[in-house]
Amino acid sequence: NAGVTQTPKFRILKIGQSMTLQCTQDMNHNYMYWYRQDPGMGLKLIYYSVGAGITDKGEVPNGYNVSRSTTEDFPLRLELAAPSQTSVYFCASSYFDIQYFGAGTRLSVL
Amino acid sequence: KNEVEQSPQNLTAQEGEFITINCSYSVGISALHWLQQHPGGGIVSLFMLSSGKKKHGRLIATINIQEKHSSLHITASHPRDSAVYICAVLYSGGGADGLTFGKGTHLIIQP
Repeated sequence: NAGVTQTPKFRILKIGQSMTLQCTQDMNHNYMYWYRQDPGMGLKLIYYSVGAGITDKGEVPNGYNVSRSTTEDFPLRLELAAPSQTSVYFCASSYFDIQYFGAGTRLSVL
Repeated sequence: KNEVEQSPQNLTAQEGEFITINCSYSVGISALHWLQQHPGGGIVSLFMLSSGKKKHGRLIATINIQEKHSSLHITASHPRDSAVYICAVLYSGGGADGLTFGKGTHLIIQP
């Protein structure tokens, strides 16, 4: 039982490039989340999903897109990367309000 | 959006000391979480509370719903407790749209 798995762990992007952050969970949780964590700030919700085919915006969705074609996978897409998207990204899934976090993806946009 | 305030922001203590980290929030919540983030970055859920008190090993979490305040205590602190402790709340009616997080308390326990 791997829990929540995120790939890659680290990535450096050039301004304007695109990439997909992968997130998969093997706990059959319906609820999944993407957060970003900036230095000295609390985690902020980017997007969330309550089940396959259903996604919605969180507090800071601009510059990102998500999809949820299966219960297991919840990828986060960055289009036209900008320096403001330099952050650590966490994927999480939840069951009865307990959230399980992935190990994070550290992204730098230069 | 409603804020979650934690204090202190940074705390350095000696091994064996009793540690208290505080969290306050502004409106009604359905649940409050305490999370631990280790230097490597991984985040682990420690407690979820909606009332009263919970204990796990040397960690104790309390919540006072009327005062909108929660505390995390660590007894007999140890250097391995060094981490960032994060308070997060699920606002009443917040449903699926995730938690609201405090900025964290950076705890260092010196041997």
